[in-house]
This record gives sequence, C-alpha cells and structure tokens, in this order.
Amino acid sequence: GAGVSQSPSNKVTEKGKDVELRCDPISGHTALYWYRQSLGQGLEFLIYFQGNSAPDKSGLPSDRFSAERTGGSVSTLTIQRTQQEDSAVYLCASSISNRGQGNQPQHFGDGTRLSIL
Amino acid sequence: DAKTTQPNSMESNEEEPVHLPCNHSTISGTDYIHWYRQLPSQGPEYVIHGLTSNVNNRMASLAIAEDRKSSTLILHRATLRDAAVYYCILRGAGKSTFGDGTTLTVKP
Repeated sequence: GAGVSQSPSNKVTEKGKDVELRCDPISGHTALYWYRQSLGQGLEFLIYFQGNSAPDKSGLPSDRFSAERTGGSVSTLTIQRTQQEDSAVYLCASSISNRGQGNQPQHFGDGTRLSIL
Repeated sequence: DAKTTQPNSMESNEEEPVHLPCNHSTISGTDYIHWYRQLPSQGPEYVIHGLTSNVNNRMASLAIAEDRKSSTLILHRATLRDAAVYYCILRGAGKSTFGDGTTLTVKP
C-alpha cells in the first residue's frame, strides 16, 4: 500500500519568504509527527498530532513555525519569514494510534529538502 | 524525555554479525525500545521493537537486558546494503526523541 508521502521533495526559496510543506500520512494512521534533520545530524522533534487531541507543539523552534492537520489526515507545516538556519530536511511520520503506548512503529516519508538562499 | 546513548560509528565486515549497542538507563516501565535505520537521502525505516523480551524478525534481532537499561540490535550477516545510520529510540505515549544514531560502515 501507499506509504507516507511528502511534497515537494525539494524546495528552494529566498530568505524571508513563507513556505508550506505537505504530508500525506498512511490511511488510517491517527498519529502524525514532524521532524527536522540538519545535515549530518539526528532527527529533531517538531510537533505531534494524535487524532482530535491538541497537538504537542513543544519542539517548534520559534513562532515562525506552525502546523495544522485538517480532517485528521493531511498535515501542513508552515514556516514564515524563512531564515537560512531553517535549511534542513523536514520529515513526516505517521503511526497507528499511540494513545498511552509506544508499541506502534513510525512510518516515515522521504522528507522535503528545504534550502533557504 | 528518556534519552538513549549510542556509539557514533561502528565498522563491520560483510557477511559477519554486527552488534549495535544502545544504553537507555532512564527508561520507564512503559517505554518500548525501537530501532530505525536511515539510508542516505531517505527517511528512517523501521527495523524492530520490543518491550522486555528478545525479538526476532526478518531484518534483525533485538536483545534487551533484563533490567531494560540497555539493548543490542543484532544483524546476523551484514551486507553492503546494511550500511546506514541506526537509531535507537524509546517510545511511550506521545512524541519520540531521536539521538544522533550509530553510523554503520560495512566493508566488503
């Protein structure tokens, strides 16, 4: 079946512009995660959605970052007034409900490579 | 968040077993131990997970210490395609925290 799909795969934009990154999770997965990965580094947690619950935004690095998840499916990560330090690969993952338990694996997309000029 | 500690890098010869260690001394009773691997220019790929007992699947085996403060991912016969960054993470309710992982190099 279809895996997690992210678009665009690559995005180049000028400093100061806004960008939107899209994630289509696996159908039926209620948990959705966004991570950021800088070159040669591990994954940095950004935000987590679980069903209709309020998202865990504790990893968002500044108020220029926001994310929404419409209809419990597709998610959009928005970065306003981009800065060069925002350049990274942005990864999305989904999993079956993770309420109170961690026995469900995360399924990752291949990410969006964002380059800020 | 509970943290994991892994060596930065390891090397293995092709067709030999590889044991990748992970320490997680602050693990809670409900945290599952997950392993993922990441090939260049790809998102992480799920490998295996467990809670208390050792686990086997087609990709690897997971050995979990009796006190659960450490675990070892075992690749029984390394191939060149196993060269990747391997991440050990703890998953409970909510978010997961990834460390920097272990870069595995497989030599022919």
